[in-house]
Amino acid sequence: DQQVKQNSPSLSVQEGRISILNCDYTNSMFDYFLWYKKYPAEGPTFLISISSIKDKNEDGRFTVFLNKSAKHLSLHIVPSQPGDSAVYFCAAPAGDKYIFGTGTRLKVLA
Amino acid sequence: DVKVTQSSRYLVKRTGEKVFLECVQDMDHENMFWYRQDPGLGLRLIYFSYDVKMKEKGDIPEGYSVSREKKERFSLILESASTNQTSMYLCASSLYARAPIHTEAFFGQGTRLTVV
Repeated sequence: DQQVKQNSPSLSVQEGRISILNCDYTNSMFDYFLWYKKYPAEGPTFLISISSIKDKNEDGRFTVFLNKSAKHLSLHIVPSQPGDSAVYFCAAPAGDKYIFGTGTRLKVLA
Repeated sequence: DVKVTQSSRYLVKRTGEKVFLECVQDMDHENMFWYRQDPGLGLRLIYFSYDVKMKEKGDIPEGYSVSREKKERFSLILESASTNQTSMYLCASSLYARAPIHTEAFFGQGTRLTVV
């Protein structure tokens, strides 16, 4: 039973445009969410997080939006750059562990 | 900066071998984790530990065991390697995961294990 879902395995976006990566969750007890970025042959790196008491968190080109009623969060990257091409994972802490989605591979086309 | 170091970037082992993957973190973190990443399956939790000598099974513990004798070191053991354990293995650590304080997990660079 997947508690954190990323339904789009891949996304292609033109350089300079907006990238929107989506994540759905099923457990209404989740109160914190994280996004990670992963390049091939490297470990994931933390990108941005959001607490359930907020509906938006922004850090430079990256903004995460949280819609608690829909159990949905999204990561916006504006403007997208070729260096953003990577796999993006959303995650939520559950007790002492983190549950990850299956990831979305973003390709930014120059 | 937090550093999580995995002992090998690439490993090739034979079926039936006992395999040790080592992970060390330098930030006195309480929690440590072992995940594997496979295409289309994301990051799946194998085992985690929230204290020295404490361990908890994750979602896919079969065929694996772990050891945490010191706070900074968390080892993953493949008792008898099989070809379906060919994967990218990722170690992570975090100060806290449990509410009300949440912090992020920091990952090592990964170990690409191939079992032939």
